[in-house]
Amino acid sequence: QVQLVESGGGVVQPGRSLRLSCVGSGFIFSDYGMHWVRQAPGKGLEWMAVVSYNGRTTYYSDSVKGRFTISRDNSKSALFLQMNSLRAEDTAVYYCAKENSNSDDYFDSWGQGTLVTVSS
Amino acid sequence: DIQMTQSPSSLSASVGDRVTITCRASQGFNNFLAWYQQKPGKVPKLLIYAASTLQSGVPSRFSASGSGTDFTLTISSLQPEDVATYYCQKYNSDPWTFGQGTKVEIK
Repeated sequence: QVQLVESGGGVVQPGRSLRLSCVGSGFIFSDYGMHWVRQAPGKGLEWMAVVSYNGRTTYYSDSVKGRFTISRDNSKSALFLQMNSLRAEDTAVYYCAKENSNSDDYFDSWGQGTLVTVSS
Repeated sequence: DIQMTQSPSSLSASVGDRVTITCRASQGFNNFLAWYQQKPGKVPKLLIYAASTLQSGVPSRFSASGSGTDFTLTISSLQPEDVATYYCQKYNSDPWTFGQGTKVEIK
């Protein structure tokens, strides 16, 4: 079955960087677009970024554009989120999510999430 | 960008009640609308896609409808295991915006 496992979260000071990873298994990773979604403590879901199946196309939410970079390594079935210039408001659980297909890209599978805490 | 607004933000209903959640888009779009359920402390789970198609394995008491700008999720007979926050989401175009969520509790 599909499995997505995030890692890389932790406590980081404001202004510093962090890189999250998500490894997929149980499906052909290189066939699917992948997303990052975050959820601040006690808050709702916020879509962050997407990378196409081949890594050539990316989109970002306005809240992270210019600070975060989404990428993937299909040879390792891995998705990444490079987060720079972190702010307190970036504190959240970060989920990776798999698209159902290129033509219907709702999220049919989610990872368990990794917690990022930005604090001095 | 299209904004997604859910109502109500929270509701409390009795077991067996019919519950309806509304999701309104700031402008119309094709029916690329999904609903997710997030139980307390758990990962979001896909319930509905294409505005009204039930994901495999989701109980039939869940249904959804709508088009254009107005969409609804209905639980025909609320069960204790349905306590969760429900989110709508537009997909297939940037940005993949979620509604703010509707928290459903048992009275």
